[in-house]
Amino acid sequence: DTAVSQTPKYLVTQMGNDKSIKCEQNLGHDTMYWYKQDSKKFLKIMFSYNNKELIINETVPNRFSPKSPDKAHLNLHINSLELGDSAVYFCASSLPGTGVRLTGELFFGEGSRLTVL
Amino acid sequence: QKEVEQNSGPLSVPEGAIASLNCTYSDRVSQSFFWYRQYSGKSPELIMSIYSNGDKEDGRFTAQLNKASQYVSLLIRDSQPSDSATYLCAVTEGLIKAAGNKLTFGGGTRVLVKP
Repeated sequence: DTAVSQTPKYLVTQMGNDKSIKCEQNLGHDTMYWYKQDSKKFLKIMFSYNNKELIINETVPNRFSPKSPDKAHLNLHINSLELGDSAVYFCASSLPGTGVRLTGELFFGEGSRLTVL
Repeated sequence: QKEVEQNSGPLSVPEGAIASLNCTYSDRVSQSFFWYRQYSGKSPELIMSIYSNGDKEDGRFTAQLNKASQYVSLLIRDSQPSDSATYLCAVTEGLIKAAGNKLTFGGGTRVLVKP
């Protein structure tokens, strides 16, 4: 069974359209994330939810709206897509840390490659 | 904006040699440091974590941390062609909290191991 699964894996769409990416994890983790990886391979955090509560909201255009219906699911909806939104979007989940020992192990999904034309 | 910097490479090493990867970070209070490996077209996977100054060894991998110099490195001994990948350095931002800890990733170093 896939631990963190994202759908769809590939998205090709026109500027101005709206699209959604779905993510589910079966690891029992409380915390889930959306990361964006651009063409230069920089992985940047966008959002994080802990047990359905939004806890990290980076400087992301409000065209991006995450939603977590339960702690096993985290979806990302993007309105009015722009060329610069083309990237690979990774969903991830993690265990909580203990003291200073953040486990740091993010379990990533396979990524959703978004191409905006 | 906290930064994590890596040489993008490619770092080309012959099979059996040691690959040495470096990473510097800007946040003086960072407490947790990680190396992820990402194969082309795949998702990152954790290979090493280190929290204290000094060396930490795990199989062919050794992570080294120097908080005073804000420097973390990864050594890959007896490099194999299967080690060819991009290696991402990741650092927690600020002091560790119960939740909402943020990992900042470097841009990655591409490693090519030639048979």
